[in-house]
Amino acid sequence: QSVLTQPPSASGTPGQRVTISCSGSSSNIGSNYVYWYQQLPGTAPKLLIYRNNQRPSGVPDRFSGSKSGTSASLAISGLRSEDEADYYCAAWDGSLSGHVVFGGGTKLTVL
Amino acid sequence: EVQLVESGGGLVQPGGSLRLSCAASGFTFSSYSMTWVRQAPGKGLEWVSYISSTSTTIYYADSVRGRLTISRDNAKNSLYLQMNSLRVEDTAVYYCARDLGSLPWFDPWGQGTLVTVSS
Repeated sequence: QSVLTQPPSASGTPGQRVTISCSGSSSNIGSNYVYWYQQLPGTAPKLLIYRNNQRPSGVPDRFSGSKSGTSASLAISGLRSEDEADYYCAAWDGSLSGHVVFGGGTKLTVL
Repeated sequence: EVQLVESGGGLVQPGGSLRLSCAASGFTFSSYSMTWVRQAPGKGLEWVSYISSTSTTIYYADSVRGRLTISRDNAKNSLYLQMNSLRVEDTAVYYCARDLGSLPWFDPWGQGTLVTVSS
């Protein structure tokens, strides 16, 4: 059971817009930045969004992040086949002695 | 090019020990905090441990505290994870990652090394 809650799966067709939610609490998302990671099949995770809504250089602007209260969302517009991957949210949790918490991951399928 | 390369994984019996290494290149290693994250087969990501640039601040996940020890050698541009009293549930791919100053701002990640704990 992950501290941050994500839907296990999501899907969309090419060109569509999909969103992936990440729900937490006041000790993590509610008071700290949210980060998103993309893990393509058989590869290491890659930073996708940092500090709630910032994109590292090289990440297409089709990817966007947002946060409201104790929840966060990752939106992918103009869905492409290469976006098929696992997506994880992460945050610092201030209720524990130095803990990083991840969501359980969402497997995105491009139909 | 910023690069992280893990090594040291393998098959070990329950109760055994293993030492993972992470070789860094392409950046000033001594200026960055580092972290280990693991992923059990078919499962999600689990944060394991964090070490600051000068080793003065160290954090562990509750699941590994007392059994795994993080360390670094800035002269050798290397990060380590000493794993003792290993359990079957420690079986996972272990990734090292650079922390960009605000946990969990991890970029980049290494390719990972597989640790299998089995009799």
